[in-house]
Amino acid sequence: AQSVTQLDSHVSVSEGTPVLLRCNYSSSYSPSLFWYVQHPNKGLQLLLKYTSAATLVKGINGFEAEFKKSETSFHLTKPSAHMSDAAEYFCVVSDPFTSGTYKYIFGTGTRLKVLA
Amino acid sequence: GAGVSQTPSNKVTEKGKYVELRCDPISGHTALYWYRQSLGQGPEFLIYFQGTGAADDSGLPNDRFFAVRPEGSVSTLKIQRTERGDSAVYLCASSVQGMNTEAFFGQGTRLTVV
Repeated sequence: AQSVTQLDSHVSVSEGTPVLLRCNYSSSYSPSLFWYVQHPNKGLQLLLKYTSAATLVKGINGFEAEFKKSETSFHLTKPSAHMSDAAEYFCVVSDPFTSGTYKYIFGTGTRLKVLA
Repeated sequence: GAGVSQTPSNKVTEKGKYVELRCDPISGHTALYWYRQSLGQGPEFLIYFQGTGAADDSGLPNDRFFAVRPEGSVSTLKIQRTERGDSAVYLCASSVQGMNTEAFFGQGTRLTVV
């Protein structure tokens, strides 16, 4: 079965310092992986997606994620945090070869706090 | 509009009542998803439509929950005999069918059962 584990429920960083949000997935085949962001009272927005073309994926607003099959990880990073990055971040897996459908499975989320 | 539209944005209902939540997907998107997000949790899969048919309804918690998409566009999530535990934000998403495709989410309907 497919599943996603976000290792930290809360992460606090100072403005201008690097961000690391950790995600591990479980899937029996080659999954699709996504990171979504949810700002307060706003809808879910796609940050980036892994499409199997390249293991290092660049997204919007300076975010990146690296797909590591050997570690079953898809950690999200950003070199320098901005106050506007404060939000809830969700790691998402989709594995139609395992589940038989294109449904998206969400992690429990990581709340990022950026300190001035 | 260009995005996924959900109505109403907020719904307060009494325990035991019936509610309908509506989703207008992005035009041309054949795949439509319903999710439920409880406070402090990630979105939980409910049901997935491909066209008019429910391709995967494994996430519906019980037979009080039902969803339709009769013409392959607008979808309605129906909840009978609502319970306080049904209180959550119900999210709808749509996508172009296929691997690695992005799902576009609506703003959600916040359901409160009192």
